[in-house]
Amino acid sequence: GAVVSQHPSWVICKSGTSVKIECRSLDFQATTMFWYRQFPKQSLMLMATSNEGSKATYEQGVEKDKFLINHASLTLSTLTVTSAHPEDSSFYICSARGSGSPRAYNEQFFGPGTRLTVL
Amino acid sequence: GQQLNQSPQSMFIQEGEDVSMNCTSSSIFNTWLWYKQDPGEGPVLLIALYKAGELTSNGRLTAQFGITRKDSFLNISASIPSDVGIYFCAGLRPGAGSYQLTFGKGTKLSVIP
Repeated sequence: GAVVSQHPSWVICKSGTSVKIECRSLDFQATTMFWYRQFPKQSLMLMATSNEGSKATYEQGVEKDKFLINHASLTLSTLTVTSAHPEDSSFYICSARGSGSPRAYNEQFFGPGTRLTVL
Repeated sequence: GQQLNQSPQSMFIQEGEDVSMNCTSSSIFNTWLWYKQDPGEGPVLLIALYKAGELTSNGRLTAQFGITRKDSFLNISASIPSDVGIYFCAGLRPGAGSYQLTFGKGTKLSVIP
């Protein structure tokens, strides 16, 4: 159980275009999802916390107008990188908070990641 | 912000050897999670720890929640080539009001056949 998928796995786009990344919890409902960014050889950097039915909470330094997050259902959160530029190229990973038990609720399950390359 | 000191940063070992890595912090955590990340993939949860002193195994992996609640270690016994990857520790602080994991910087493991 606790499988999280992401789509697409990788995307190449032109500078100035917008890219949408989907994150789905496949076998459980996730009231809370997280979006991370990871640069090569570095740890995960939390960008925002996405709560179903409410506005996302962004970390300091993350532009909410540039990284639009929508969590419209208990199994889907989307991250849209608007007007992407080469510096936005990175590995974006989502995760979902577990459910079903108090312990599972403390665990995070990650998607496989999306590699974004902006030309 | 919160810091987790994870060590070693990288290690090269011979296949069959045991491996040990750890995370320490100046703050108390009430949950410790250990993840493994393969290149180009998302992290996969290996072991979750919830009580001080707890020792939990998952196959050849063993992890412990430190008594002081400020540290945790992960051991891998009889390493094999597929153990290669980056291992991250993550801690959850008690009573923070919001749920947020703090991640270590990772330990890159290389296994020499």
